[in-house]
Amino acid sequence: DAKTTQPNSMESNEEEPVHLPCNHSTISGTDYIHWYRQLPSQGPEYVIHGLTSNVNNRMASLAIAEDRKSSTLILHRATLRDAAVYYCILRDPPSINYGGSQGNLIFGKGTKLSVKP
Amino acid sequence: SQTIHQWPATLVQPVGSPLSLECTVEGTSNPNLYWYRQAAGRGLQLLFYSVGIGQISSEVPQNLSASRPQDRQFILSSKKLLLSDSGFYLCAWRSVSGGQFFGPGTRLTVL
Repeated sequence: DAKTTQPNSMESNEEEPVHLPCNHSTISGTDYIHWYRQLPSQGPEYVIHGLTSNVNNRMASLAIAEDRKSSTLILHRATLRDAAVYYCILRDPPSINYGGSQGNLIFGKGTKLSVKP
Repeated sequence: SQTIHQWPATLVQPVGSPLSLECTVEGTSNPNLYWYRQAAGRGLQLLFYSVGIGQISSEVPQNLSASRPQDRQFILSSKKLLLSDSGFYLCAWRSVSGGQFFGPGTRLTVL
């Protein structure tokens, strides 16, 4: 399975932008890059995902390198609520049902983001 | 907008007792639904998934079962709980674009 590597922790000040990096040098041509975040004692929360082009949604932006070997999750204005562990994972295309081993979400250690007021 | 509900939020059950966890989704039709279990500090293990009413795929041999009696209802059950069934159970649905959206989870403790 293609793996991802992320920094263990990052700090940000409230209302400042945050750039969370993720390396995935062994990504395959069909892998989608997904980001989830999780607070203690809560379920994971979907953030964003993409394949090749940069993606924007109401939560964040995803910048994907041209060679797709790395990506960056961008929170434009961090809030205290954004403090969480952020996970970057690679998943099969959405045309493939997430059954079997494709259904497992194998999170690495992720990046623990702290936001200071 | 779509929302996903799970209940109960927490549950303490004795060994050998039955289990029923319910998950409902609003704001979408014919979603792919999933039951996961998350061990502390680890990733999510897929237990069951369903692509439609009455269609259940089991991924892990265990004493749990799942049912989908309605389009937007997914139920996780057991006739007799084991100590090893303790964990954090999460229901999720998947959007057409591939993102998965999780419910708030049920923390089950089997004593």
